[in-house]
Amino acid sequence: AQKVTQAQTEISVVEKEDVTLDCVYETRDTTYYLFWYKQPPSGELVFLIRRNSFDEQNEISGRYSWNFQKSTSSFNFTITASQVVDSAVYFCALSEAGTGNQFYFGTGTSLTVIP
Amino acid sequence: NAGVTQTPKFQVLKTGQSMTLQCAQDMNHEYMSWYRQDPGMGLRLIHYSVGAGITDQGEVPNGYNVSRSTTEDFPLRLLSAAPSQTSVYFCASSRTVGNTIYFGEGSWLTVV
Repeated sequence: AQKVTQAQTEISVVEKEDVTLDCVYETRDTTYYLFWYKQPPSGELVFLIRRNSFDEQNEISGRYSWNFQKSTSSFNFTITASQVVDSAVYFCALSEAGTGNQFYFGTGTSLTVIP
Repeated sequence: NAGVTQTPKFQVLKTGQSMTLQCAQDMNHEYMSWYRQDPGMGLRLIHYSVGAGITDQGEVPNGYNVSRSTTEDFPLRLLSAAPSQTSVYFCASSRTVGNTIYFGEGSWLTVV
């Protein structure tokens, strides 16, 4: 079974629109960590955020915000006022404390921001 | 700021050939891992290590071998390359369990 599901394979938005990338995870651990990574066209993987399972506070960093809801096992990522530079593939990932820091990645969401 | 360094960045192999992808990190991280990335499949864990002298299999270990003789280095060996191993390979490291993993720049491997 897929531990991390990113149901949106591809999304296109027009510049300045807001966009939300969905991430649903599955775990039986009480201690776990959630991450988002960005992969721009150049191919490297860039860390964006890490949350632990005990901290459900939403987080905002500039135009980026994250909504963590344990009740729905979701960790969604919103980009406000999107820009062309936001065009990339975004991966959500889960790390369970009980499995030696193995990371489980979703299949990614490809975001295209149209100027 | 070296971080995680992978070499080579690009490689073309013939079926049956063997090769080693090198990975080194200078952050004194205990945990290192190798992933492969294929279209539509995200990143899948090949092998990982929680410290020098300790390695374990991930989700897709067949056809690959690893060793961890030092904290800094974690090479990935392809024993007999197959076209199915054409992929982008990423090495990663983190301080310990639950910490952020940091990736190398990737190695593009084509097996013909």
